[in-house]
Amino acid sequence: QSALTQPPSASGSPGQSVTISCTGTNSDVGAYKFVSWYQQHPGKAPKLLIYEVSTRPSGVPDRFSGSKSGNTASLTVSGLQAEDEADYYCSSYAGSNILLFGGGTKLTVL
Amino acid sequence: QLQLQESGPGLVKPSETLSLTCTVSGDSISSSSYYWGWIRQPPGKGLEWIGNIYYKGNTYYSPSLKSRLIISVDTSKNQFHLKLTSVTAADTAVYYCARENGDYASDYWGQGTLVTVSS
Repeated sequence: QSALTQPPSASGSPGQSVTISCTGTNSDVGAYKFVSWYQQHPGKAPKLLIYEVSTRPSGVPDRFSGSKSGNTASLTVSGLQAEDEADYYCSSYAGSNILLFGGGTKLTVL
Repeated sequence: QLQLQESGPGLVKPSETLSLTCTVSGDSISSSSYYWGWIRQPPGKGLEWIGNIYYKGNTYYSPSLKSRLIISVDTSKNQFHLKLTSVTAADTAVYYCARENGDYASDYWGQGTLVTVSS
């Protein structure tokens, strides 16, 4: 299995919306509903933002939303805030109890 | 509040074995709802899933690491362990332990521990 594909960078101004894509195959993203998204600030552990494609854990603002179409999942951050500047990673179940991560996207708030 | 804490040597020599422990507090590792996993992140790079374990001992490993990897659990100490043999510089990374929920998502993470492979 190969890592999922994410754009290396994304950016937006405060208040705007930004969407980050995560492309896999019909053996991982396209086959299962188990896509997750994580936010990681420098020097910190990742934090779960979204699981099961579009479900937010308790405490995650509704500015963060997830979706999936075919082999591509997406994370949308609406109403961008300065504290949203971080690295974002997707992950997907790939069958046989294997998980894959994306390469990560650095989000810059302009 | 669930907490996970990694521990182990920060420096390992090439060809030797990397050994880490994750101590879980605030919940029992024997909870039937969760797997307990390891993820690593080389400096400046992305996340890589290593593998996980159920409290009964069922293990699942990344195909790329499977030949060098052992994950075990000690329910009496509420801990799980990682052993990676024949390490090289490519195994230098921050190693995280995490709880995986029933949806293959890691909802609680340790703070991570940097392991450097160098002579």
